[in-house]
Amino acid sequence: EADIYQTPRYLVIGTGKKITLECSQTMGHDKMYWYQQDPGMELHLIHYSYGVNSTEKGDLSSESTVSRIRTEHFPLTLESARPSHTSQYLCASSERGRLDTQYFGPGTRLTVL
Amino acid sequence: QKEVEQDPGPLSVPEGAIVSLNCTYSNSAFQYFMWYRQYSRKGPELLMYTYSSGNKEDGRFTAQVDKSSKYISLFIRDSQPSDSATYLCAMSKPRGSTLGRLYFGRGTQLTVWP
Repeated sequence: EADIYQTPRYLVIGTGKKITLECSQTMGHDKMYWYQQDPGMELHLIHYSYGVNSTEKGDLSSESTVSRIRTEHFPLTLESARPSHTSQYLCASSERGRLDTQYFGPGTRLTVL
Repeated sequence: QKEVEQDPGPLSVPEGAIVSLNCTYSNSAFQYFMWYRQYSRKGPELLMYTYSSGNKEDGRFTAQVDKSSKYISLFIRDSQPSDSATYLCAMSKPRGSTLGRLYFGRGTQLTVWP
């Protein structure tokens, strides 16, 4: 079983609030990813990181930001939450040389009122 | 046109049935093909991984890739209620080009009833 954790699992918050979704992995993986998943839709890559101090935007335009100060930690921040941010956010990681095999966390279900 | 197409279902079958799940894709650059299984309120977990064309078997699961038709399949034999989940296909391009980015289908929701 993959050792990748996300907190909180569920979050209901009002419009305009700043939120940070946490993601940590204990596998020492270099690569980490954030995906957005809506019911019945594809997973969309919103951010990824190749290692410490390396972050890139993904395919889906996102108002969120990420940081990678430590290998094991890849938090995602929304400065001002809006109802359009309501979604499931999944964090994943992969090891060097096995980039296709991604291990996913349990996800954070975000609802913005 | 989406790069990966997958019928979202839902698909409902009786226990013991053979299940066939499929995806098509448009980009011939894809070379690595995966199936992920996602239980309700959980993250996806890797189920099968294949490279290029051919078959791969793992217990009750068989993954097939037909690159000439740009078509991949996952077969589940003797399906069990515990197989009830959403199955997502995913694929990636040669590792040197995209550094591990996966392209996912929408997922097919499967229910196996006793």
